Amino acid sequence: GESVGLHLPTLSVQEGDNSIINCAYSNSASDYFIWYKQESGKGPQFIIDIRSNMDKRQGQRVTVLLNKTVKHLSLQIAATQPGDSAVYFCAENAKSGGGADGLTFGKGTHLIIQP
Amino acid sequence: DAGITQSPRHKVTETGTPVTLRCHQTENHRYMYWYRQDPGHGLRLIHYSYGVKDTDKGEVSDGYSVSRSKTEDFLLTLESATSSQTSVYFCAISEKWREDEQYFGPGTRLTVT
Repeated sequence: GESVGLHLPTLSVQEGDNSIINCAYSNSASDYFIWYKQESGKGPQFIIDIRSNMDKRQGQRVTVLLNKTVKHLSLQIAATQPGDSAVYFCAENAKSGGGADGLTFGKGTHLIIQP
Repeated sequence: DAGITQSPRHKVTETGTPVTLRCHQTENHRYMYWYRQDPGHGLRLIHYSYGVKDTDKGEVSDGYSVSRSKTEDFLLTLESATSSQTSVYFCAISEKWREDEQYFGPGTRLTVT
């Protein structure tokens, strides 16, 4: 889910389990969505994207689901590994509130992999 | 990293001093962006460029200026740094506008004392 304060929501999963990270996007006019992964001290790294004419897209060990009816996006990571520990956030391509044109980014979810 | 470098990677400066951050890309992408990232906020767009000498303001542009004299370089300047500009700054590039993934640089951690 998205953070509304200083501390990011945290998802803790066992190594080998599947992870599901959720994102509620804000603008029904958005037609392009991206998931990013950000490791500590590094820049965001592109994981997968999806356009609004699709409701599911799969990559290597990751699946993104889009539900336009409720403006919800999810990222599923299969068989999580220690290297998956990071902050994950979604982005949409329509303006959010008074924001500038371009991509609007969520605040992120911290995924922790337990050994 | 998709051929994006940022310099410096870390900087500590005093309030009131000018600071320039540099972003350099080797991908020949048209669009370049400067974001800041702070706790409790998502990435927020400062300025962006859609071509050489073509720039526009983002969501949090006050106190910042940019320049793009070459396709590969995008400079962010803080004319007179303030403590509220302490942040991590990221540069990003993309081939298309708003329907294409943005690739990010490694970031610059700026501390204004």
